Amino acid sequence: ETGVTQSPTHLIKTRGQQVTLRCSSQSGHNTVSWYQQALGQGPQFIFQYYREEENGRGNFPPRFSGLQFPNYSSELNVNALELDDSALYLCASSSPGQVADTQYFGPGTRLTVL
Amino acid sequence: AQSVTQLGSHVSVSEGALVLLRCNYSSSVPPYLFWYVQYPNQGLQLLLKYTTGATLVKGINGFEAEFKKSETSFHLTKPSAHMSDAAEYFCATFTGGGNKLTFGTGTQLKVEL
Repeated sequence: ETGVTQSPTHLIKTRGQQVTLRCSSQSGHNTVSWYQQALGQGPQFIFQYYREEENGRGNFPPRFSGLQFPNYSSELNVNALELDDSALYLCASSSPGQVADTQYFGPGTRLTVL
Repeated sequence: AQSVTQLGSHVSVSEGALVLLRCNYSSSVPPYLFWYVQYPNQGLQLLLKYTTGATLVKGINGFEAEFKKSETSFHLTKPSAHMSDAAEYFCATFTGGGNKLTFGTGTQLKVEL
């Protein structure tokens, strides 16, 4: 069984640029959630996708957007990058219907904005 | 709204000693509670979870946690610390209709010889 994978592992961008991060969900999972983890902090929920539709959003501006594809993989797009967007971005997959919808995390993408 | 609070941002123990990491929850309904571990430069790994039923939950790597409603706590314990346990530990709960994990601020565990 393949776990959650993310790409790239590291990324360096400059302020104002746009970035796309990718996530492949665990086999059998149809739900993907994205989290931002700033240095020294706990992860913060960005949004969740279920069957290609957004299914909940945290307190993040519209320049954070996402997609989910028919194979349940997902993308996180961030436009007009700001210095504060520097963080570890974590993707988690789950399968609604299981008790407590346990979320399984990928290794993350470390984004640095200069 | 459901939330969790972790007491102690840094905990240091000797190898072989008891590990106790504290988590208190705030919820108006029975919560789902989780403990995750994060090793340096890695993602989060699920240690254990509480949903319903037995209040003592056993997880991986010898960790366990006890749900105590009277104390609104879900503390993580391990009888004997190992050097490989050094990592950051996060307590979490579901909020917002069940599809959003809310994390505590984390506890960095250091294990000394």
